[in-house]
Amino acid sequence: AQSVTQPDIHITVSEGASLELRCNYSYGATPYLFWYVQSPGQGLQLLLKYFSGDTLVQGIKGFEAEFKRSQSSFNLRKPSVHWSDAAEYFCAVGARGGKLIFGQGTELSVKP
Amino acid sequence: GAVVSQHPSRVICKSGTSVKIECRSLDFQATTMFWYRQFPKQSLMLMATSNEGSKATYEQGVEKDKFLINHASLTLSTLTVTSAHPEDSSFYICSATGNTGELFFGEGSRLTVL
Repeated sequence: AQSVTQPDIHITVSEGASLELRCNYSYGATPYLFWYVQSPGQGLQLLLKYFSGDTLVQGIKGFEAEFKRSQSSFNLRKPSVHWSDAAEYFCAVGARGGKLIFGQGTELSVKP
Repeated sequence: GAVVSQHPSRVICKSGTSVKIECRSLDFQATTMFWYRQFPKQSLMLMATSNEGSKATYEQGVEKDKFLINHASLTLSTLTVTSAHPEDSSFYICSATGNTGELFFGEGSRLTVL
């Protein structure tokens, strides 16, 4: 079955600290992987995506993610979190240009 | 980048009425559009896939007579929630893709049924 698991429902980090959000997927074909961020009441903003090539992907706002096929993971990282990064983060998998399967989301809180 | 616009962004209606939400691709031809539903504090669940000029394909458990989807042109898809009830209150988000295969999301539409 195709699925995405984000094990952490809620994470709190201090401002300036590093961040890693976990994402594991199950997908039958070559996966296209995405990370989106959503602020309360807002739509989705694409942080980064992976289709092929270099397994370390750079995105916007200083985020990066690493695709590890052997672990079926696509974890999101940021070396230094800013208060404005507090939001809901969704990992998704799908076919290019096709429907996406979303994880449950991880809510990030940032302590001053 | 390409833009997908949804309208209205917020709508409040009375129970039993029908509500139409539009999803427009502003600067590209969207051959396929997807409609998602998001309950508060939950993830996005795909409701249906629509291809221009053909009937939408609904996901299991989604009532097609309840959620009417029309994709009459390459830039517009509409979702009509018929005879809306309070349990239909949700955040509805569309996404669209064209010839490049890139996927773009709309800003979402919040429906509140009183």
